Amino acid sequence: KAGVTQTPRYLIKTRGQQVTLSCSPISGHRSVSWYQQTPGQGLQFLFEYFSETQRNKGNFPGRFSGRQFSNSRSEMNVSTLELGDSALYLCASSFQRPSTDTQYFGPGTRLTVL
Amino acid sequence: AQSVSQHNHHVILSEAASLELGCNYSYGGTVNLFWYVQYPGQHLQLLLKYFSGDPLVKGIKGFEAEFIKSKFSFNLRKPSVQWSDTAEYFCAVTVNTGFQKLVFGTGTRLLVSP
Repeated sequence: KAGVTQTPRYLIKTRGQQVTLSCSPISGHRSVSWYQQTPGQGLQFLFEYFSETQRNKGNFPGRFSGRQFSNSRSEMNVSTLELGDSALYLCASSFQRPSTDTQYFGPGTRLTVL
Repeated sequence: AQSVSQHNHHVILSEAASLELGCNYSYGGTVNLFWYVQYPGQHLQLLLKYFSGDPLVKGIKGFEAEFIKSKFSFNLRKPSVQWSDTAEYFCAVTVNTGFQKLVFGTGTRLLVSP
C-alpha cells in the first residue's frame, strides 16, 4: 500500500503571496489531518477533514484553510503569507477517526517564506 | 485544554545504555496515547500506542511504554539503545470522544553515541 504523499516537498514564497499544498492519503483512509511543525512550537494541529467536511479546527488564523475532495485527497491553502508561516507542514491520514485509528504521516512540505 | 509535557528536550546516551523518556498529559477523561519517532530525514512514524488493556505496551524496535493512569504518564523505555535510535521522539494524546486531533508534546531529541 502506498503511503501518504505530499506535494510539493519544498516551496519558497515571499511575504504576501499565497500557497496551496496537496496531500494524498493512504487508499481507503477517509480522514486527513494537517499539522504545522516548527522548532519553537513543535507539532500544532491545523484541521481535520472527513468525507469532504472539516470536522475539527485548531487555533490558527483564517488565512489557513483547507478542503477535501471526494477521493479523500486534501489541500491546504495559506493566504497572505507571513515570515512566521515558514514551517514543515505535515499531512496525516487515518481510516476514520484520528482518536482511535493510527495516523500515518506524509513526508511533509517544507515552506520557506522570505 | 489538553496538553502533553515531555520534560527531556535533549538526551545523550552511549550505545547499550537504557532509555526512559518522560511523557505526562493533562486530561482527566479516557485518553489514547501514542509515541511517534522521527528519524533524521524521515517521516513521523508510529512506535507504539495504547488504547486500553494491558498498560505495558510493546512497540517496534524493542521499545515499550507504560501507562500509569494515576500519574497521567506514558513513559517510553528501551533497555539498550543503539546508534540507529538517534531521532526525535514525540508523545501524543487523543481524547476518546468527539474532538479528533492528536495533541503532541514538544519532542525529545535523542542522540546515541557509538
